[in-house]
Amino acid sequence: AQTVTQSQPEMSVQEAETVTLSCTYDTSESDYYLFWYKQPPSRQMILVIRQEAYKQQNATENRFSVNFQKAAKSFSLKISDSQLGDAAMYFCAYRRIEDDMRFGAGTRLTVKP
Amino acid sequence: KAGVTQTPRYLIKTRGQQVTLSCSPISGHRSVSWYQQTPGQGLQFLFEYFSETQRNKGNFPGRFSGRQFSNSRSEMNVSTLELGDSALYLCASSPPGARGTYEQYFGPGTRLTVT
Repeated sequence: AQTVTQSQPEMSVQEAETVTLSCTYDTSESDYYLFWYKQPPSRQMILVIRQEAYKQQNATENRFSVNFQKAAKSFSLKISDSQLGDAAMYFCAYRRIEDDMRFGAGTRLTVKP
Repeated sequence: KAGVTQTPRYLIKTRGQQVTLSCSPISGHRSVSWYQQTPGQGLQFLFEYFSETQRNKGNFPGRFSGRQFSNSRSEMNVSTLELGDSALYLCASSPPGARGTYEQYFGPGTRLTVT
């Protein structure tokens, strides 16, 4: 079974600094998708970034970028120039084609002013 | 484009009762998934519907059921409620297209409290 592990239950970062959230996953598949979702205190889950496993290039969305290491089954999220609005729970997710999405336990990110 | 909407947002029920939650996906999205979120278990997949057919089902008892209508709106039902069913129930829809079906857009959730 595919599992997603987020080893950092909590992280904190100073405003304007950079933080990296870790995620590892277990799969025997070669074609799949990886996602990072953000869930602010208001509870609405927001898609932050996605990565297709067949693409070697790391995805980037403005201040958010990933470090995708397929062989190591690692998918970390880097947030640059952290802002107060980045404070939230961050979930890493894996989805195999035609299968359901599996989520990690989440990392609570605190941004200090 | 309007996002995923869920009704009601909050619900309080008594053990043994049943409840129906509703989800309207983003216009044009045909796939709807449901998740249960609790502090202890995290996000757990309930089921996924596509074009009115259940495509995947998570490991939940038969008390949890769902359906999807021709307009892609979905409902989930929980019968004989238990205290452990208290959770945030999230609905998510996916855009059409072979490669585009894999990201999901979430609604605000329905907070169910069972007393």
